[in-house]
Amino acid sequence: GQNIDQPTEMTATEGAIVQINCTYQTSGFNGLFWYQQHAGEAPTFLSYNVLDGLEEKGRFSSFLSRSKGYSYLLLKELQMKDSASYLCAGGAGGYNKLIFGAGTRLAVHP
Amino acid sequence: ETGVTQTPRHLVMGMTNKKSLKCEQHLGHNAMYWYKQSAKKPLELMFVYNFKEQTENNSVPSRFSPECPNSSHLFLHLHTLQPEDSALYLCASSQDSGNVGEQFFGPGTRLTVL
Repeated sequence: GQNIDQPTEMTATEGAIVQINCTYQTSGFNGLFWYQQHAGEAPTFLSYNVLDGLEEKGRFSSFLSRSKGYSYLLLKELQMKDSASYLCAGGAGGYNKLIFGAGTRLAVHP
Repeated sequence: ETGVTQTPRHLVMGMTNKKSLKCEQHLGHNAMYWYKQSAKKPLELMFVYNFKEQTENNSVPSRFSPECPNSSHLFLHLHTLQPEDSALYLCASSQDSGNVGEQFFGPGTRLTVL
């Protein structure tokens, strides 16, 4: 079956580090995406991992372990504008089909 | 500006109405997608078009009818909808659907069915 699990909500303090976890079970897995979605706006692409390991992009990093069916998004030096939903999505099948998790709503407090 | 536009941004319709949602992408992509986003639920893929051909229909009820006249435009025709169809409908595009890659999303149409 196809299943993506991530926590529903998280809170963190401005300037801190937060890790958002995602576990997945997809058939024909071909990569793991993270998207950011502010309330009332379109999801925007953050990262894509297809091989095991850590991908770093500025304040955001994403990690993948295919053997464990696990990924995380790491946000450093949190800013108030990072308050948003973070969507984990697994690529499934032989083409660009994404299975999304329900999203993790992150609230950053001063 | 993501390069993907959707109109209208908000739509209220009765169960007997017929309406259409429009999506246009200005990115030169060849694949376009319709997703449904309901409150506290995952984004659900509805349809995929690649080079104007439908390649995926994710068991969507026939009251939703997609149309893709060219690689830049995608429509979703709506008729005899139900209140549970109220949701945010998102359009996305990518280079093509044959290879995994970033999808670019439009801002969505917030649909309310009375």
